[in-house]
Amino acid sequence: RKEVEQDPGPFNVPEGATVAFNCTYSNSASQSFFWYRQDCRKEPKLLMSVYSSGNEDGRFTAQLNRASQYISLLIRDSKLSDSATYLCAVSTSGTYKYIFGTGTRLKVLA
Amino acid sequence: SQTIHQWPATLVQPVGSPLSLECTVEGTSNPNLYWYRQAAGRGLQLLFYSVGIGQISSEVPQNLSASRPQDRQFILSSKKLLLSDSGFYLCAWSAWGKTQETQYFGPGTRLLVL
Repeated sequence: RKEVEQDPGPFNVPEGATVAFNCTYSNSASQSFFWYRQDCRKEPKLLMSVYSSGNEDGRFTAQLNRASQYISLLIRDSKLSDSATYLCAVSTSGTYKYIFGTGTRLKVLA
Repeated sequence: SQTIHQWPATLVQPVGSPLSLECTVEGTSNPNLYWYRQAAGRGLQLLFYSVGIGQISSEVPQNLSASRPQDRQFILSSKKLLLSDSGFYLCAWSAWGKTQETQYFGPGTRLLVL
């Protein structure tokens, strides 16, 4: 089983739709969680950290479910510019390592 | 503010040639530094990380090596490139944010080995 798993997609959604991605992790000792956005042929850019109580940044909401070992990203009112690959990342305190999922591709259609 | 530089942006090299990719970070001291490779259509593979000058941890055995000669400089090298070394090489650094350490990426070097 991979340490971090994501549905590769693509998720094709119309503009204005709400879309959600999940990311499962296998190490129960994982403590830090992140969502990154990667545009084609560009570096990943931090979208948001994921906190235990859940957090929101504009149209984006991230949640953590420790019991089921997954994090989620919800995008409301999708824009064409949201089209990208979304990577989740997990880190365990003291290991210095970040484990990335392979990404979920989102296409927002006009 | 902190910035991370990588060069070159694109590189085409013949099989068997040497490689040296450089990464430098500005605006911070004693960062943790990382090298990743992303093959076409695939995920990020951690190659090396460093928590201090001269301290290198290797994640995947291969014909690549890394060095950290200065606090904010991280170098990825190879003596002889293989076709399978082609990919998108990303340098990253990590720093503490509000409540947790977070990782940030440089612009990457796209390497094509022919």
